[in-house]
Amino acid sequence: AQKVTQAQTEISVVEKEDVTLDCVYETRDTTYYLFWYKQPPSGELVFLIRRNSFDEQNEISGRYSWNFQKSTSSFNFTITASQVVDSAVYFCALSLRGSEKLVFGKGTKLTVNP
Amino acid sequence: DTEVTQTPKHLVMGMTNKKSLKCEQHMGHRAMYWYKQKAKKPPELMFVYSYEKLSINESVPSRFSPECPNSSLLNLHLHALQPEDSALYLCASSQDPPRQETQYFGPGTRLLVL
Repeated sequence: AQKVTQAQTEISVVEKEDVTLDCVYETRDTTYYLFWYKQPPSGELVFLIRRNSFDEQNEISGRYSWNFQKSTSSFNFTITASQVVDSAVYFCALSLRGSEKLVFGKGTKLTVNP
Repeated sequence: DTEVTQTPKHLVMGMTNKKSLKCEQHMGHRAMYWYKQKAKKPPELMFVYSYEKLSINESVPSRFSPECPNSSLLNLHLHALQPEDSALYLCASSQDPPRQETQYFGPGTRLLVL
């Protein structure tokens, strides 16, 4: 069975702080895909990143960075110098080759205070 | 242009009403999805259409009836809903289902059943 765990239910930070959102996944498959989505209060799920299991390179996009470590089955997301606009619920998700299903974690609600 | 549109944005309906939710994408994607999301929960998959054919039905009650008139359109027909069906309904699309392409989500329809 596949599972995604986001242990942090809610995180509150002050603007300009760095914050890391944790994601731990479980699967016995060797080929899988990991995703992060952002859901602001408006409701739309915004795609942030997709990683396949064979690509362990970390990625940086502006203030966002992702750390993928197969050894610990983790795919953590760091926001540097957080801003109020980063306030949202962030979901980590997993999908397997041959499956059209996304397995979501329960989400982490991030609040960035001015 | 990664845009999925959904109408209406908000819908209030009685338990005896019949209504439809609409979803449209013009990205040439061949898979379309309906999700249901309750407050403070991750999205739950309801249906998947792959190449205009229903490929997944996650044991959704028959009061929800999906329809895919063509590769760009996806409808969700609602009939005799219950108050517990009140939720955010999200549509998503992806390019090529067997290849685990990224799912892109629309802004959702917030449904309230009275």
